[in-house]
Amino acid sequence: GDSVTQMEGPVTLSEEAFLTINCTYTATGYPSLFWYVQYPGEGLQLLLKATKADDKGSNKGFEATYRKETTSFHLEKGSVQVSDSAVYFCALKWNDMRFGAGTRLTVKP
Amino acid sequence: GAVVSQHPSWVICKSGTSVKIECRSLDFQATTMFWYRQFPKQSLMLMATSNEGSKATYEQGVEKDKFLINHASLTLSTLTVTSAHPEDSSFYICSARGMGTSGRVDEQYFGPGTRLTVT
Repeated sequence: GDSVTQMEGPVTLSEEAFLTINCTYTATGYPSLFWYVQYPGEGLQLLLKATKADDKGSNKGFEATYRKETTSFHLEKGSVQVSDSAVYFCALKWNDMRFGAGTRLTVKP
Repeated sequence: GAVVSQHPSWVICKSGTSVKIECRSLDFQATTMFWYRQFPKQSLMLMATSNEGSKATYEQGVEKDKFLINHASLTLSTLTVTSAHPEDSSFYICSARGMGTSGRVDEQYFGPGTRLTVT
């Protein structure tokens, strides 16, 4: 069935470092791909999404490109901030939403 | 964006009792609501999907008699964990999808979650 695999955390970075969180997917159809962020004590918030191959989603300095050839949707940010500390979930939606296991990011000053 | 609330945010109950968790869409009408369960350091697992006014569709392996879902209105869904046991302790998250002045069609919005601890 459809599934999402994302890199295990936790990830700890210094402020202004470059961030990559890998995400690959398996799907029978042509899913939409998402990154959600969960701050402590809060619900999941949509960070960005892409609905078809080669689309690039971007928001708040984060980017991810829908790569059909590598079935990937890696999340990147050029310069992280302490406020980016959260858990990030990669997800796909075809018939229903499937989530990766989540990657906890901690950014230290 | 659209707001989904859950109540309570955390609950502790004794084994054998039942617990009800409410999920509300505050500024849009949720035609579909989803209930997820999240174990520590694991992903969200879809438990069931409910459409307003109809019975919920449960995922394989989820006991429908144990996890009762009611989606009585376009803004409210409830999950009742019946005869709770310690293994039911988990983080339960609801999600709502619909359309409205604040919500876009087919976008899913997530509640903050409810942490259930069964002693």
